[in-house]
Amino acid sequence: NAGVTQTPKFQVLKTGQSMTLQCAQDMNHNSMYWYRQDPGMGLRLIYYSASEGTTDKGEVPNGYNVSRLNKREFSLRLESAAPSQTSVYFCASSEQGGLEAFFGQGTRLTVV
Amino acid sequence: QKEVEQDPGPLSVPEGAIVSLNCTYSNSAFQYFMWYRQYSRKGPELLMYTYSSGNKEDGRFTAQVDKSSKYISLFIRDSQPSDSATYLCAMQLDSSYKLIFGSGTRLLVRP
Repeated sequence: NAGVTQTPKFQVLKTGQSMTLQCAQDMNHNSMYWYRQDPGMGLRLIYYSASEGTTDKGEVPNGYNVSRLNKREFSLRLESAAPSQTSVYFCASSEQGGLEAFFGQGTRLTVV
Repeated sequence: QKEVEQDPGPLSVPEGAIVSLNCTYSNSAFQYFMWYRQYSRKGPELLMYTYSSGNKEDGRFTAQVDKSSKYISLFIRDSQPSDSATYLCAMQLDSSYKLIFGSGTRLLVRP
């Protein structure tokens, strides 16, 4: 049972480049989330999808877009990467609400 | 001021010690309180959660919530080197999808 799978695991971008982080879960969860983790800042919610077909902004949505492609997949897009977006990005899913969220292994993104 | 404050540590203890990890928060409306463990270069994993005030025990782990003081704790009994990790507290409003995390406390259990 894979749980939550994120791709890629590592990425280096140049300022201004775009990319999409992929996330898929195989637990039939309704809710999915994207967080970023920075030293000393903890995890901060970027966007979430309470259920298939809905998305909402979290704490730090600027510079990002998301797509809930289907119940399994939730992608995060950086349209024009900036050095401030250098971070570790985590996708998570839960049956409902934020409780008992299962996290992926993370994507380490560096923007130079 | 952050909504959730957590001492970053590191906290270094000998094997077998009782460990106390703590968080304070400012929003009295938080109803759900969670503890996550994160090993280096891995995603967080949920240890346990409690609703409102009180205690919850799961094996060597006990979570306490004191809403009057806006203070939560995680106790680890008979700590093991495998408990060495970063521990993150998280909180949630009722009927909300948004978790608010502390910045994490790094724990090192020395053999």
